[in-house]
Amino acid sequence: KAGVTQTPRYLIKTRGQQVTLSCSPISGHRSVSWYQQTPGQGLQFLFEYFSETQRNKGNFPGRFSGRQFSNSRSEMNVSTLELGDSALYLCASSSGGTGDGGYTFGSGTRLTVV
Amino acid sequence: GENVEQHPSTLSVQEGDSAVIKCTYSDSASNYFPWYKQELGKRPQLIIDIRSNVGEKKDQRIAVTLNKTAKHFSLHITETQPEDSAVYFCAAMTYGQNFVFGPGTRLSVLP
Repeated sequence: KAGVTQTPRYLIKTRGQQVTLSCSPISGHRSVSWYQQTPGQGLQFLFEYFSETQRNKGNFPGRFSGRQFSNSRSEMNVSTLELGDSALYLCASSSGGTGDGGYTFGSGTRLTVV
Repeated sequence: GENVEQHPSTLSVQEGDSAVIKCTYSDSASNYFPWYKQELGKRPQLIIDIRSNVGEKKDQRIAVTLNKTAKHFSLHITETQPEDSAVYFCAAMTYGQNFVFGPGTRLSVLP
């Protein structure tokens, strides 16, 4: 079966712009989580969506938002981009609501803010 | 909330030797502990996991042990090979909550 698909793979944006990233989970998975990965900070949790509802949220500013559609696809939006938002953004899907069985990660979207 | 610490941050071993990475967690309610391997430029991939009702789990050359009382768990890799070189992340999860990852360990297997 198809894995977790993230688009686009690469993005270059200018400070102050906004960006939308997309994640299509494995078919049948209802939970999608988003993580920011930077060399110095590891994997930082942004938020998790389960059945179109945000179930958990990390400690990121309100500029970071997301949503999930009825087909479980999820989008993440970052407004008013800052240089420090440059990172690899990973989404991960899981089968059960608990995340049991672990995440399956997508290949990520590498965002560069200039 | 949950906090996961991971040690060491870097680890170099000779090919064929064993490698051990240790993690501690803070939330006694955590009940699921996966380990991920991330090779350079690739996505993190689940390599082994353990649930709180199990003390040890093995899969060929890798094993994970869990000590619930001390709230720590460890990854053991035996007979290391060059392809084991990667960054390894541990994580802890409580039912209904998100995964909390450790900061990662960069393992280098030297030929």
